[in-house]
Amino acid sequence: DTAVSQTPKYLVTQMGNDKSIKCEQNLGHDTMYWYKQDSKKFLKIMFSYNNKELIINETVPNRFSPKSPDKAHLNLHINSLELGDSAVYFCASSQVPGQGRNPYEQYFGPGTRLTVT
Amino acid sequence: KQEVTQIPAALSVPEGENLVLNCSFTDSAIYNLQWFRQDPGKGLTSLLLIQSSQREQTSGRLNASLDKSSGRSTLYIAASQPGDSATYLCALYSNYQLIWGAGTKLIIKP
Repeated sequence: DTAVSQTPKYLVTQMGNDKSIKCEQNLGHDTMYWYKQDSKKFLKIMFSYNNKELIINETVPNRFSPKSPDKAHLNLHINSLELGDSAVYFCASSQVPGQGRNPYEQYFGPGTRLTVT
Repeated sequence: KQEVTQIPAALSVPEGENLVLNCSFTDSAIYNLQWFRQDPGKGLTSLLLIQSSQREQTSGRLNASLDKSSGRSTLYIAASQPGDSATYLCALYSNYQLIWGAGTKLIIKP
């Protein structure tokens, strides 16, 4: 009964390819996020998105684009993959602030380990 | 600019000991602070969430405290067990995003 799921769990691909990572949450949350965890274990936000607003971290290259077919899904598309894109990518979701017991608590998926060769 | 620091980067203690993990931040204007656990090859698990108006939260053997005036949070683990071995991350919440520390890698020796 997974709350936040990501597919695939592992992804190995070559430079220059285009790939997507899928994320789904069954918590009824309104906001979803994508994070990148680099080799130093820092987690950095890439995007946050709800029905109304997409907030983009300005350091994220425009090769990365989030796509949300509906409220329960936020997929991450990456074009022209580069070696430096190798990392673990985490999807997360949270309730709209002001609702719920812990409105800012984020629930994380298991991560997708991307390796670009 | 908010910065989050976790010290030490790694900690190894014998089973059964009580221990404290530290998290410090530079800007006291936070909405909340969250402690996570990350197991190798697995996702993140939220352990405790402290709202900015709260001083501490407890869950089982875990107790997290928050002192905004000094820019510090601690995660206290009582009677540590080998299963507690993991990386522990703290994160502050502000404007729809979490600002993360680099984590403390904890090893509990049997």
